[in-house]
Amino acid sequence: QQQVKQSPQSLIVQKGGISIINCAYENTAFDYFPWYQQFPGKGPALLIAIRPDVSEKKEGRFTISFNKSAKQFSLHIMDSQPGDSATYFCAASDRGSTLGRLYFGRGTQLTVWP
Amino acid sequence: SQTIHQWPATLVQPVGSPLSLECTVEGTSNPNLYWYRQAAGRGLQLLFYSVGIGQISSEVPQNLSASRPQDRQFILSSKKLLLSDSGFYLCAWSVPRESYNSPLHFGNGTRLTVT
Repeated sequence: QQQVKQSPQSLIVQKGGISIINCAYENTAFDYFPWYQQFPGKGPALLIAIRPDVSEKKEGRFTISFNKSAKQFSLHIMDSQPGDSATYFCAASDRGSTLGRLYFGRGTQLTVWP
Repeated sequence: SQTIHQWPATLVQPVGSPLSLECTVEGTSNPNLYWYRQAAGRGLQLLFYSVGIGQISSEVPQNLSASRPQDRQFILSSKKLLLSDSGFYLCAWSVPRESYNSPLHFGNGTRLTVT
């Protein structure tokens, strides 16, 4: 059972445009929502994360929007650049559980055309 | 600073051969350690995790096993590889859960092709 559902699977955006990736979850115990960015041939790296006590977090051109009642969160990349072309994974975890393991979405392959 | 080393970067092995992938972490003590497998369109699948030396938990029944012989060393093994074992294998570590915002740190992976 997929704990975190991510869409779209792939996304093509023109340089300067806005990239939006959406994720949804069911487990109300989740209380930590990170996004990871992965370039080809590399491991994923933490990009930005949010806790459910805030509705939005912004770091540079990257913004997480969080809707607790809808159990949804999304990543917005403003002024998308070719260097943003990568695979993006959303994730969620229950930090109070024994391991606090992360459940990942299936990833979105973003391509930004110059 | 903490670093994670994973090797080899690529590996081509025949069906039925053994496998040993190694991962080591530097700059931290008693990390949580993980093995993930990444398949196209299927995201990151957690295979094994370890919260201490000799403590291994398996998430998915499969042809693989893991061991943690030292605090910062994690090994993924197989006695006989199957074609379906091909994939991109990622090792990762995190600080034990006392740190709320502790992220997961990944190595650069091993691309395994079983022929």
